[in-house]
Amino acid sequence: GAGVSQSPSNKVTEKGKDVELRCDPISGHTALYWYRQSLGQGLEFLIYFQGNSAPDKSGLPSDRFSAERTGGSVSTLTIQRTQQEDSAVYLCASSLTQGRYTDTQYFGPGTRLTVL
Amino acid sequence: LAKTTQPISMDSYEGQEVNITCSHNNIATNDYITWYQQFPSQGPRFIIQGYKTKVTNEVASLFIPADRKSSTLSLPRVSLSDTAVYYCLVGGSTGYALNFGKGTSLLVTP
Repeated sequence: GAGVSQSPSNKVTEKGKDVELRCDPISGHTALYWYRQSLGQGLEFLIYFQGNSAPDKSGLPSDRFSAERTGGSVSTLTIQRTQQEDSAVYLCASSLTQGRYTDTQYFGPGTRLTVL
Repeated sequence: LAKTTQPISMDSYEGQEVNITCSHNNIATNDYITWYQQFPSQGPRFIIQGYKTKVTNEVASLFIPADRKSSTLSLPRVSLSDTAVYYCLVGGSTGYALNFGKGTSLLVTP
């Protein structure tokens, strides 16, 4: 079946604009994760969804970042008033069960965001 | 969440066995050890997971000593295509370890 998909694959925006990044998880996966990876850095956890709720928003770097998940499936990560330091690859992952660590996370290809 | 320490980078020649060790001194009883691999411009992918002793699959082996304070990912006879970043994660059923850190960047050369 299809893996995790993300859109757009690349996004170039101007400082101060809002952007929306989309993630389509693997069908039937209840857990969904967003990460950010800056150039040469490891993955930084942003937010985790269990179904439609987000029990862990601790990684969101500022109130300019928000995310939602509807219907237990598609998720959107929104960055308002983008700053140059927001430039990074945003990765989405999903896993089958309710967020237990032993679950394998399946990653999408990422969205490369460039803020000019 | 257990903190992990692994080398920043490693180099190897094709055909050699590569062992990457991860230290996790404060691993908890319920924690599992999981390794992911990330190629450039791709998301990470699961390689192997274990709790104790040895786990082997078609890609790698994972060795975990009795005290579980470290683990070693073993890649047999690496090829150029094994050049990637390898992440060690530790976590368990009481939560979900989402700290990938910077991983170990493995470079395989001819």
